[in-house]
Parts: sequence; C-alpha cells; structure tokens
Amino acid sequence: GAVVSQHPSRVICKSGTSVKIECRSLDFQATTMFWYRQFPKQSLMLMATSNEGSKATYEQGVEKDKFLINHASLTLSTLTVTSAHPEDSSFYICSARDYGDGELFFGEGSRLTVL
Amino acid sequence: RKEVEQDPGPFNVPEGATVAFNCTYSNSASQSFFWYRQDCRKEPKLLMSVYSSGNEDGRFTAQLNRASQYISLLIRDSKLSDSATYLCVVNMRGATNKLIFGTGTLLAVQP
Repeated sequence: GAVVSQHPSRVICKSGTSVKIECRSLDFQATTMFWYRQFPKQSLMLMATSNEGSKATYEQGVEKDKFLINHASLTLSTLTVTSAHPEDSSFYICSARDYGDGELFFGEGSRLTVL
Repeated sequence: RKEVEQDPGPFNVPEGATVAFNCTYSNSASQSFFWYRQDCRKEPKLLMSVYSSGNEDGRFTAQLNRASQYISLLIRDSKLSDSATYLCVVNMRGATNKLIFGTGTLLAVQP
C-alpha cells in the first residue's frame, strides 16, 4: 500500500487563486520531504526540500514566495502555489524517505491546471 | 551539461527482445544510483538500486561504472507491461543529499 499520500490528485483553479497540496507519510515519520514538479515529457525537477520545524530549502530559480512550503509535523508537508497562473500548470509530486538513505517513496502526484 | 543524461528514446522493441538503457552523470561525488520506472501520468516507483558490483533482479540487470560515470539497465525478454519511462536517478550525498533525475527513456514494447 501507499506509504506517502498526496492530496488532491487533481485540481483546476482560476488564475490568481492559491492552491494547497498536502503530502503525508503514512507509515513513518519524515523529517525531510521533497517537492518536485514535472512538465509534460520532461523529468522531475526538484523544487525544494521541506524540513520539519524549519524553513524549506529552495532550488535555484524557484520562488519561495510563490511556492510556500510548510512542514509543521513529522508526517505532513504542504505546498501552496500562491496567485497561480497558467504557466504553473504542472504535475507536482512529493516524496519522503523513512530513514537517511532509504528508498524514496513518492506520493501519487497532484495535477494542477490553472485556467 | 546536465547532471544526469539519458537517451530519451523512444525505444520501440518487440516482445521478447533485450533492450539496454544508458545513463551518464556529471558529478563524480555522486554516491547512490537508482533506476525508477514511471508509467504515464503516474508517480515514479523504484525499480532497483544500482551497486558497483552490478545487480540483477529477474529480467533486469543494472550496472555501474564509476570510472566512466555511467549506469546501465538491461531488460531481457521484454514484456508488454515493461512499457514505461525509465528514470536514471543519482543521489548527491553530503550537504544536499538529494536525488537528481534524468529526463527518462521511453520504452514501448510491441506485441
């Protein structure tokens, strides 16, 4: 069964609105979670590393004020896309490890469409 | 130069064929290596880790050549269900400890 759950799986919103995506580790505590974005026919691009109890670490070129990450507990990280625009439409995927170098488990992904 | 490079394909092969994918990585400090499989519009799932000694799991064989910074995946006796995108993934240890994904190689097994 799934060890990382992501919600919602699909969301359609109007331009200018904000969208929150949740990522939960179900069977383990995750001090670190990762957020990726994948455009059609492209690879997963790491957006940020979410650290429980501290600020997220963003990759170069990712706007931290636009993609707000909160990791308030050991089992939940959220990604909020603020003031979404059509170019933010993408497949957003979270992942987590249950220990240092263990297997990386992925959430089911959230497909965002901004109209 | 991309950190992880793969031939995007597509590789169109008949059922039963043997197919090999290659991947190169640029950072010699890379520590861990993996092959993930991603079906269309789904999340990636771990296929196998790649060890220096090479490893095999059924019809799948992975090899690592650290000197050449090269990873390979061999699939024998291809099945229709093997059709997917295969992602080469490299773990950068140390301060970052993050996975870097290749763009993936698309495999289409034909009946």
